[in-house]
Amino acid sequence: GAGVSQSPSNKVTEKGKDVELRCDPISGHTALYWYRQSLGQGLEFLIYFQGNSAPDKSGLPSDRFSAERTGGSVSTLTIQRTQQEDSAVYLCASSLQLGLPDTQYFGPGTRLTVL
Amino acid sequence: AQTVTQSQPEMSVQEAETVTLSCTYDTSENNYYLFWYKQPPSRQMILVIRQEAYKQQNATENRFSVNFQKAAKSFSLKISDSQLGDTAMYFCAFMKSGGNTPLVFGKGTRLSVIA
Repeated sequence: GAGVSQSPSNKVTEKGKDVELRCDPISGHTALYWYRQSLGQGLEFLIYFQGNSAPDKSGLPSDRFSAERTGGSVSTLTIQRTQQEDSAVYLCASSLQLGLPDTQYFGPGTRLTVL
Repeated sequence: AQTVTQSQPEMSVQEAETVTLSCTYDTSENNYYLFWYKQPPSRQMILVIRQEAYKQQNATENRFSVNFQKAAKSFSLKISDSQLGDTAMYFCAFMKSGGNTPLVFGKGTRLSVIA
């Protein structure tokens, strides 16, 4: 089947605006992750959904960031009142949850530019 | 907290030659998983190889192999018979055991394969 998809591919916004980034995981994958890739900073974990459990939000950098996952499938990452330092590539990944660590499969990412 | 260090920001190799990318990590965990991901200019993160810490045998996948030294907390990637398509960013990543958990990434090594 299809891999992880993300939309939009690129997003340019003005400082102070809200943005929504979408992730559609691989069908049947119950674990979903958001990461942020900033220039020269590698990838940092943001938030993690595992089945119907409460999400692990420990990586969110501020309360302007939030995410939800509807129906255990599609996830939306929302950034409110965007700042220039939010400019980055936002990557989503999904994996099976079989009780053992499984490979995370990544989407192509959304490049966010805040002017 | 776990940390992953890739000490080579950039490397280059001649086509058909062999190159080794370095990765060290710091953890107090005894059971964990290590990964190498490749990110070409398309931004799509692709799994190259994974290693379970409880396995002494080094993982291999065709032209890719690792040298896993648990005591030294070292996990290097060897690419044999380098091809132009191997040109990409390579990220080393760590995952704790005990279920699906977020990956901790190094900052990456940019590899250029030269014809």
